[in-house]
Amino acid sequence: DGGITQSPKYLFRKEGQNVTLSCEQNLNHDAMYWYRQDPGQGLRLIYYSQIVNDFQKGDIAEGYSVSREKKESFPLTVTSAQKNPTAFYLCASSIDPPTGKGNTEAFFGQGTRLTVV
Amino acid sequence: AQSVTQLGSHVSVSEGALVLLRCNYSSSVPPYLFWYVQYPNQGLQLLLKYTSAATLVKGINGFEAEFKKSETSFHLTKPSAHMSDAAEYFCAVAGGTSYGKLTFGQGTILTVHP
Repeated sequence: DGGITQSPKYLFRKEGQNVTLSCEQNLNHDAMYWYRQDPGQGLRLIYYSQIVNDFQKGDIAEGYSVSREKKESFPLTVTSAQKNPTAFYLCASSIDPPTGKGNTEAFFGQGTRLTVV
Repeated sequence: AQSVTQLGSHVSVSEGALVLLRCNYSSSVPPYLFWYVQYPNQGLQLLLKYTSAATLVKGINGFEAEFKKSETSFHLTKPSAHMSDAAEYFCAVAGGTSYGKLTFGQGTILTVHP
């Protein structure tokens, strides 16, 4: 089945550590995205990438980094500079540009819950 | 720039009652609008989308939404609530041509009681 796989489902980080969240898709989508979800705040865009080896900052990029070496993969690193990293992180992908044939939405993974201990 | 406002962070209905979740948007370009549903500790699932075709959009699980440009609204409705509809619902707007670059509302938690 085609889809987006995020791993791990739960992740615990000590103060001062960097951690990397994995996101893999087999939908052959060009664009991939990372969102952060906090209770009562909806989802906010961290980074996105529309093509391999290129990515753009979203609304809350500070303290995060990404890479896009392969079309299928878009890992997110939460660095020690991120002051409040405890949150639910969601990866998504979409066709870009849209083909106009109905594939006009983003597909989401099941998320990774990161907790600082 | 886009923004989305969902009126009511919590909505409670009886099983069999009408579900109405409100969403108003602001967009400087013709908007593409989406409703997603999220069950606890899971990802988002698309309910329905508006991409400048018909203004009344039908989605999965009996949900529908009507795009009203004059009111900048995209409210989600379902005639008869089921217990399985209990979840969090998000309205989102995409500007331009990238449908995954979304601005989300704050979410509405729907509770369905017997």
